[in-house]
Amino acid sequence: GQQVMQIPQYQHVQEGEDFTTYCNSSTTLSNIQWYKQRPGGHPVFLIQLVKSGEVKKQKRLTFQFGEAKKNSSLHITATQTTDVGTYFCAGTLETSYDKVIFGPGTSLSVIP
Amino acid sequence: NAGVTQTPKFRVLKTGQSMTLLCAQDMNHEYMYWYRQDPGMGLRLIHYSVGEGTTAKGEVPDGYNVSRLKKQNFLLGLESAAPSQTSVYFCASSYSIFTQPQHFGDGTRLSIL
Repeated sequence: GQQVMQIPQYQHVQEGEDFTTYCNSSTTLSNIQWYKQRPGGHPVFLIQLVKSGEVKKQKRLTFQFGEAKKNSSLHITATQTTDVGTYFCAGTLETSYDKVIFGPGTSLSVIP
Repeated sequence: NAGVTQTPKFRVLKTGQSMTLLCAQDMNHEYMYWYRQDPGMGLRLIHYSVGEGTTAKGEVPDGYNVSRLKKQNFLLGLESAAPSQTSVYFCASSYSIFTQPQHFGDGTRLSIL
């Protein structure tokens, strides 16, 4: 079954509001990656987190890896219409090094 | 700079027909992957390859076969298509599993009637 979960499944925000999506794993991850997929497009790599408690920023996006390396979050400050899309987390399990498991994604809609 | 190229982009099949999806990458990546994407399910790994001549099963391998005869190409075959295989198929490649991001192709939209 699915070992990497994401909440919420959908999020609708007014332009300018903040947005957060959470990624949770039932087992410890060796690393986690975040991808963005625009409607009709393909997933595009955003960032990778490796260390426990790691925080990385890309302009208005803040990514965090939990202390226990079982969860992660993506926070967008002051959303824009260009942020529309589905955000996926993808984790490599510490117990299974040979593949990456994607979460089901969070679909973000931004109302102008 | 093509990156990852998938062929074809769209295809409609009848139940029982067979077909092959082609993925080509020009980044000299060792690892290649085939995923299927269905609404609400995210990306599910079908098969993957850690190098030329190798293949391995992913999360949902049943009904699919793959081959990696050349490093740059990864083929996905459907021997006898079923309506449950209607999906969007993405190919991806990466330098390594752990430390490098996956680069995705534009996808193949496959409908099985």
